[in-house]
Amino acid sequence: GAVVSQHPSRVICKSGTSVKIECRSLDFQATTMFWYRQFPKQSLMLMATSNEGSKATYEQGVEKDKFLINHASLTLSTLTVTSAHPEDSSFYICSARRTSEAFFGQGTRLTVV
Amino acid sequence: AQKITQTQPGMFVQEKEAVTLDCTYDTSDPSYGLFWYKQPSSGEMIFLIYQGSYDQQNATEGRYSLNFQKARKSANLVISASQLGDSAMYFCAMRSGGTSYGKLTFGQGTILTVHP
Repeated sequence: GAVVSQHPSRVICKSGTSVKIECRSLDFQATTMFWYRQFPKQSLMLMATSNEGSKATYEQGVEKDKFLINHASLTLSTLTVTSAHPEDSSFYICSARRTSEAFFGQGTRLTVV
Repeated sequence: AQKITQTQPGMFVQEKEAVTLDCTYDTSDPSYGLFWYKQPSSGEMIFLIYQGSYDQQNATEGRYSLNFQKARKSANLVISASQLGDSAMYFCAMRSGGTSYGKLTFGQGTILTVHP
């Protein structure tokens, strides 16, 4: 199956700093990628849809200035958590669409201290 | 609006037995897709099985089968011959259509524990 690589898998950062998470489709071109957030033992909640060459579409309640998404190429989307706070600590996972299927990255566990 | 409901927060099964994980959905789209994913403690999302809304037959993938009852809007996952490695969180998800094609809406998840 298709491979989506997400990096880093774990990151610990200080409160107030920014963290960038990368999502790459390794063997196919992805015009659309999705970013999800998951709190412990809860479901995945869609944060935004990342479209190559255009602005991301954010879900209701997600701060676009805090969660910056850039999809500059057909194989890479990045999520930057700006001015991170402890409440941003969570599991972030991306997926890339190829035809009708969605392939997930390995996820990033963010801890803000 | 799309909605996926998994009513079983946790399920227990004996090794080698079969188990059914429930999933009901609601959508006004005539065309949709239903997915099941397994999420072990590592966090990765492992695709298990897919059912399209127009598929006539229930999907099967090895030990996994999907009991698709369109009129009842249910898409239950059946795992046969459970193994210890099946212990994980399981999510039912629905793919939306139209301009947001590919976006998945997830259920609350079911934690499956397989006992030896």
